[in-house]
Amino acid sequence: AQKVTQAQTEISVVEKEDVTLDCVYETRDTTYYLFWYKQPPSGELVFLIRRNSFDEQNEISGRYSWNFQKSTSSFNFTITASQVVDSAVYFCALTNTGNQFYFGTGTSLTVIP
Amino acid sequence: DTGVSQDPRHKITKRGQNVTFRCDPISEHNRLYWYRQTLGQGPEFLTYFQNEAQLEKSRLLSDRFSAERPKGSFSTLEIQRTEQGDSAMYLCASSATRTGPETDTQYFGPGTRLTVL
Repeated sequence: AQKVTQAQTEISVVEKEDVTLDCVYETRDTTYYLFWYKQPPSGELVFLIRRNSFDEQNEISGRYSWNFQKSTSSFNFTITASQVVDSAVYFCALTNTGNQFYFGTGTSLTVIP
Repeated sequence: DTGVSQDPRHKITKRGQNVTFRCDPISEHNRLYWYRQTLGQGPEFLTYFQNEAQLEKSRLLSDRFSAERPKGSFSTLEIQRTEQGDSAMYLCASSATRTGPETDTQYFGPGTRLTVL
């Protein structure tokens, strides 16, 4: 069975602080894909990153970075020097075949100015 | 804008009525997904199409729900005899089957918010 757990329901940080959002996944497949999406107050889910199971190289994109560790089944997301515009709900998702996607319950991030 | 579009954006209906939502995917995407999202939860998978074929359907999906994708382009999701528990945001997403970094990456529409009174 596939499952994604985002244990942090809500996080508040002060602007310019760094923040890490945790994602732990479960799957029996050796080939799978992990995603992060951002859902701002406007509601539309915005794609942030996709990572396949064979690529454990960490990725950095501007203030965003992702740490993929198969040994702990985690795919954590760090925002450096947070900004108010980062306030949103962030979802981690998993798929193996691309037929079904499994989303976590999301982490609501509030960045306080 | 060539993203995923959904219509209507909001729908209010009375319990027992039927409703239909439409999704227009990104034009070159052959895969289309429907999700339901309730407050405080992540998107919950409902069904999946590859071209015009419905290949996956959630076991949690009531038989009051039906989806179609004629000609493999736009899709409709119909809910018959709506219940108050059907109130949610209904999201559509599309993706392309091809190699490379875009494979299986879903792009979401703005959603249709359904309220059943």
